[in-house]
Amino acid sequence: DAMVIQNPRYQVTQFGKPVTLSCSQTLNHNVMYWYQQKSSQAPKLLFHYYDKDFNNEADTPDNFQSRRPNTSFCFLDIRSPGLGDAAMYLCATTSTGPHYGYTFGSGTRLTVV
Amino acid sequence: RKEVEQDPGPFNVPEGATVAFNCTYSNSASQSFFWYRQDCRKEPKLLMSVYSSGNEDGRFTAQLNRASQYISLLIRDSKLSDSATYLCVVNGRDSNYQLIWGAGTKLIIKP
Repeated sequence: DAMVIQNPRYQVTQFGKPVTLSCSQTLNHNVMYWYQQKSSQAPKLLFHYYDKDFNNEADTPDNFQSRRPNTSFCFLDIRSPGLGDAAMYLCATTSTGPHYGYTFGSGTRLTVV
Repeated sequence: RKEVEQDPGPFNVPEGATVAFNCTYSNSASQSFFWYRQDCRKEPKLLMSVYSSGNEDGRFTAQLNRASQYISLLIRDSKLSDSATYLCVVNGRDSNYQLIWGAGTKLIIKP
């Protein structure tokens, strides 16, 4: 029944080793987001897609890339993870319109060793 | 100044008590307001939208004060299961579908 699915739930990667996180949705929402959340902090928006239009936040490091091959799937690529990239990565979707909240996936907790 | 500000807490409250959170936002043009709940190491989940006239959902009441640019959440008859972090969320400056998140207020309900 999960509508936004993130895989894996937990990911351990080595310092500098590329890693890809995935997100899929069954809601047919046109907007998808990637957030980074560190302990006791607000989720920080990295990217969002409005349909196929990609929007990169100004302060998202170049180390982070994203792909959305179709409406249902979205990927977050971290090219060279550093220790500071350890966090929870949250995928969320919404349809455009007022008072429409986000639906989140359960997140991927990334550990960098 | 942060775009959305909340008291980080934690609020330590006995079971059965009433607790209120406030949140202030900086963009006077904001139109959409939400409260999300986030359990430890889990994803945020929508608790309720906040409407101009105020709205209630069971033990939860949300209020919006546009003139003062703050949003409140009231929890009555608090339960142990209400322990969580409550995130105040406001739509972004540039569009209605981009949201700005507060850092959350941690609530701990004690037996």
